[in-house]
Amino acid sequence: KNQVEQSPQSLIILEGKNCTLQCNYTVSPFSNLRWYKQDTGRGPVSLTIMTFSENTKSNGRYTATLDADTKQSSLHITASQLSDSASYICVVSLLTGGGNKLTFGTGTQLKVEL
Amino acid sequence: NAGVMQNPRHLVRRRGQEARLRCSPMKGHSHVYWYRQLPEEGLKFMVYLQKENIIDESGMPKERFSAEFPKEGPSILRIQQVVRGDSAAYFCASSPEQGPQETQYFGPGTRLLVL
Repeated sequence: KNQVEQSPQSLIILEGKNCTLQCNYTVSPFSNLRWYKQDTGRGPVSLTIMTFSENTKSNGRYTATLDADTKQSSLHITASQLSDSASYICVVSLLTGGGNKLTFGTGTQLKVEL
Repeated sequence: NAGVMQNPRHLVRRRGQEARLRCSPMKGHSHVYWYRQLPEEGLKFMVYLQKENIIDESGMPKERFSAEFPKEGPSILRIQQVVRGDSAAYFCASSPEQGPQETQYFGPGTRLLVL
């Protein structure tokens, strides 16, 4: 069964601090790995997309890493802001004849406090 | 360029009624995906459509659920004879093309509550 597991389930940090979120997956065959940010009551918004040949990708204060050998990814958030409070979802994509089929993790709920 | 639009944002139905969820993709996007998010769970793929065609419906329950994406107008996810277990957030996403790194843009979702 294809699975995407994330840790921690939830996290509270102080504004300005850094944090790292983890993702392990067993999805196969693997096409790419994505990180999404989902604010409460909103749809997910794409942060990064990495293929198996990419080790790291940055988007502003967000940096994602990928180790396709160990099937692990991380999302590092630098100098956190209150607006970073959201659910961060790791998503692994299978490329099939029917398009990209996304398998979603359950997310890490991040809360940034003053 | 407006984003993906979904309506209604909230829908309340009694058991046995029908629910119709609408999704207007971003302008120029011809690929539409529907996902369901149950409470405390991750999003689950339901169906992938292109204009007038269902490409992959492997995530769709075999009964009561149907989807369409007509030549004109929004994509519709239809749930007949709703049950309490259908209560969830339903998200639509659209993309301009298909490929390994195509980005899916998500709508705000429709939250369905079945009483």
